[in-house]
Amino acid sequence: GQNIDQPTEMTATEGAIVQINCTYQTSGFNGLFWYQQHAGEAPTFLSYNVLDGLEEKGRFSSFLSRSKGYSYLLLKELQMKDSASYLCAVRDRDYKLSFGAGTTVTVRA
Amino acid sequence: NAGVTQTPKFQVLKTGQSMTLQCAQDMNHNSMYWYRQDPGMGLRLIYYSASEGTTDKGEVPDGYNVSRLKKQNFLLGLESAAPSQTSVYFCASSYEAGGPYEQYFGPGTRLTVT
Repeated sequence: GQNIDQPTEMTATEGAIVQINCTYQTSGFNGLFWYQQHAGEAPTFLSYNVLDGLEEKGRFSSFLSRSKGYSYLLLKELQMKDSASYLCAVRDRDYKLSFGAGTTVTVRA
Repeated sequence: NAGVTQTPKFQVLKTGQSMTLQCAQDMNHNSMYWYRQDPGMGLRLIYYSASEGTTDKGEVPDGYNVSRLKKQNFLLGLESAAPSQTSVYFCASSYEAGGPYEQYFGPGTRLTVT
């Protein structure tokens, strides 16, 4: 099974940078996903890492270290619309996803 | 494309009633999933289906049943609803079980059992 930990809440100012950490313990690792979920809406895909290193997609970047069981999602140039919950999810060898409880990010003007 | 659709959007049941949540996808995805989301607990997998006609249990299958008779549809049944099943239910689909393929989620069904 999977044990996935991420902070419950984070607050940052518009235009700033926020880093959301995710640690995991897994019986079989087969990729790590980050999803964004606005209140009352469905999760939407942000990023995928399966090898160690940094993946960059515009203002969002995601990093993975498999040996440390660690990932982070970096949000740059924060905008008000980035206020949402960010979900870390680990895929196992059976291709099932296990999700962390999510980190609620609040962006203040 | 409509993507992943779910019906109904909201439902209130009394304890002991049964119902079926419907999910449809028009992306020709092979794999489909049912999750429930509760405050502070994240998304938990109830059942999944890697292909038409096959289903497997996830983390929290008790009290639920599923069917995947057609590739585009995945149904979740509650046999005898309990207050503990009050939750938001999300259906998702992906092209393949493997590879970098992300899951696409439907808008959710908000279920209250009284």
